[in-house]
Amino acid sequence: GQSLEQPSEVTAVEGAIVQINCTYQTSGFYGLSWYQQHDGGAPTFLSYNALDGLEETGRFSSFLSRSDSYGYLLLQELQMKDSASYFCAVRSPTFKAAGNKLTFGGGTRVLVKP
Amino acid sequence: DAGVIQSPRHEVTEMGQEVTLRCKPISGHDYLFWYRQTMMRGLELLIYFNNNVPIDDSGMPEDRFSAKMPNASFSTLKIQPSEPRDSAVYFCASSRPGDRDYEQYFGPGTRLTVT
Repeated sequence: GQSLEQPSEVTAVEGAIVQINCTYQTSGFYGLSWYQQHDGGAPTFLSYNALDGLEETGRFSSFLSRSDSYGYLLLQELQMKDSASYFCAVRSPTFKAAGNKLTFGGGTRVLVKP
Repeated sequence: DAGVIQSPRHEVTEMGQEVTLRCKPISGHDYLFWYRQTMMRGLELLIYFNNNVPIDDSGMPEDRFSAKMPNASFSTLKIQPSEPRDSAVYFCASSRPGDRDYEQYFGPGTRLTVT
């Protein structure tokens, strides 16, 4: 089975840096994704790491260590609009066929204060 | 380009009634996923299709749930009979073939309330 752990909530001020950690246990692993979801909205894709290392996309960066079954999402120069829930998700094969299955963590609610 | 389209956006029904949720994936996408989101269980995969064929339905909670994809442009998720514990937001998502097949595009969701 799959299990993912991430903190439930983080609070920070505008302009700060926030790191959201994600540890996972999985049978089979293709990569680690991150999604953002605003209240009442749909999840939207942020980043994907298949290999170890850091991927940078603007103010957001994502890191993966496959040997440690660990990744993180780094949010820099926080803005009020970054207040949302952030989900890590493991991409893995299914028992029936190799595919594109995502298993989501419980989400981290980020609250940005002025 | 239009994103993933879901209908209805909101559905309120009484226990025991049949509910049908609809999804139109992004044109050209060959994977389609149905998810359910609740406070208690988070975001969980129910079933997914590749080229209209169901690949993994291990997340479907029970026989009351069924999903079909008769063509590349349309999928349905049916609950019959519905129960109050089915109340949740149901998302449909799709992804395209190729080297970015890991990126899933989610529809706006259907908020289902079963009374």
